[in-house]
Amino acid sequence: DGGITQSPKYLFRKEGQNVTLSCEQNLNHDAMYWYRQDPGQGLRLIYYSQIVNDFQKGDIAEGYSVSREKKESFPLTVTSAQKNPTAFYLCASNVGNPNNQPQHFGDGTRLSIL
Amino acid sequence: QQQVKQSPQSLIVQKGGISIINCAYENTAFDYFPWYQQFPGKGPALLIAIRPDVSEKKEGRFTISFNKSAKQFSLHIMDSQPGDSATYFCAATYNAGKSTFGDGTTLTVKP
Repeated sequence: DGGITQSPKYLFRKEGQNVTLSCEQNLNHDAMYWYRQDPGQGLRLIYYSQIVNDFQKGDIAEGYSVSREKKESFPLTVTSAQKNPTAFYLCASNVGNPNNQPQHFGDGTRLSIL
Repeated sequence: QQQVKQSPQSLIVQKGGISIINCAYENTAFDYFPWYQQFPGKGPALLIAIRPDVSEKKEGRFTISFNKSAKQFSLHIMDSQPGDSATYFCAATYNAGKSTFGDGTTLTVKP
C-alpha cells in the first residue's frame, strides 16, 4: 500500500534532549511537509521541502531542524531550543506541482515532555 | 497571520440533519481548496476539493460551495451520520502545493 509512515507513534523527551521524528513515503512525491497540531489551533507549518537536498522554513520553524537526503524520507528533529514541544506532529506529502493536488498525511507522532 | 478563517469551532447536529462549515480566505493567489477529515489519533484525509473556477462540487453526501467574489467556501454534509463525527479542516493551496489550514471544526452527530 502506498502511503506515509510516521514513527514512533508516541515519543517522550527529557529536558535538554533532542529527538528525531521519522517520516517515510512511498508515493514518489516530490514535496514533503511537517506540521504541528495543537488543540484548537489547526495545523501549523514547521518546514517543507519541494525537492531533495532543499527545504524551507514554515511559519514556526524555531527550535526545529530537518533534512532531505532522500526523496522518500524527511526526518524532523525537535531540539532542546523548542521550549514547548508537546504536540501532535504530522508529516505530509504531495506532488508539489501543479497546485491542485491534495496532501497525503501520516498518522502522526505524539510528543510529550517527561 | 490567519489567512483562512474557519467557523464554527464546534458543531452538534442530529442524525439526518445538515452540517455546514464555513471558511473565508484573503489571499487571491490561492487556487485549490481542499477539505480534510480527521479522526482522533489519525492524520487528516482528503474529503473533497474544489478549484476556484467551479462554484459547486458534490460527492455523495458532501458538497462544497464556492463564492469567489466573497472569498468564501463552505462544506455541507447532508444526512449527517454518527460516523461523520470528526474534526474537519478547510485549506487553501498556493505556491507549488503548500497549504494554509483553518483552525478546524469538531463535528458531533447525535444518534
